[in-house]
Amino acid sequence: GNSVTQMEGPVTLSEEAFLTINCTYTATGYPSLFWYVQYPGEGLQLLLKATKADDKGSNKGFEATYRKETTSFHLEKGSVQVSDSAVYFCALTYSSYKLIFGSGTRLLVRP
Amino acid sequence: NAGVMQNPRHLVRRRGQEARLRCSPMKGHSHVYWYRQLPEEGLKFMVYLQKENIIDESGMPKERFSAEFPKEGPSILRIQQVVRGDSAAYFCASSLPGGRSTEAFFGQGTRLTVV
Repeated sequence: GNSVTQMEGPVTLSEEAFLTINCTYTATGYPSLFWYVQYPGEGLQLLLKATKADDKGSNKGFEATYRKETTSFHLEKGSVQVSDSAVYFCALTYSSYKLIFGSGTRLLVRP
Repeated sequence: NAGVMQNPRHLVRRRGQEARLRCSPMKGHSHVYWYRQLPEEGLKFMVYLQKENIIDESGMPKERFSAEFPKEGPSILRIQQVVRGDSAAYFCASSLPGGRSTEAFFGQGTRLTVV
């Protein structure tokens, strides 16, 4: 079946460090891919998305590229801030609903 | 323009009681989705509703859980005779009609604790 696998957390970084959170997926066909962010006590917010192979989604300094050959959608940011501390979820969908989420990766950025 | 509104934010129920979770979608959105997040896990799809219709309930437990989205008023997720395993965060999302790139906007969730 379709699934999303994320790297285990927590990921702890110092401010201004480079961030990579790995995400790989198992799916037939060509799903759309998403990164959502969940700040403490809040709901999920869409961070970025890509709808076809080789698309790059970007927002707020975060980037992820849809790699069909490696079935990956890794999240990167060149310089993290304390305010980026949150849980990050990778997700896929084939339809206009029923997102399939990874288990989430907690990021902690220290000053 | 208010976002997706869920209430209550926190709900405590004793085993055997009923839990009612409410979700008001964003203005103009006719599609509502419910997800459940167990501790330290990702969100799992439960049900997809349009006004007065259940489109896909493949993620709903077969017993004790029901959902509705009436013509007027919020969407309701109802859990009867709650058990400790129902303790989780329940998130509602809404969207406009559209294809798979249509963004779903999430509410802040209702955190249900069963004691």
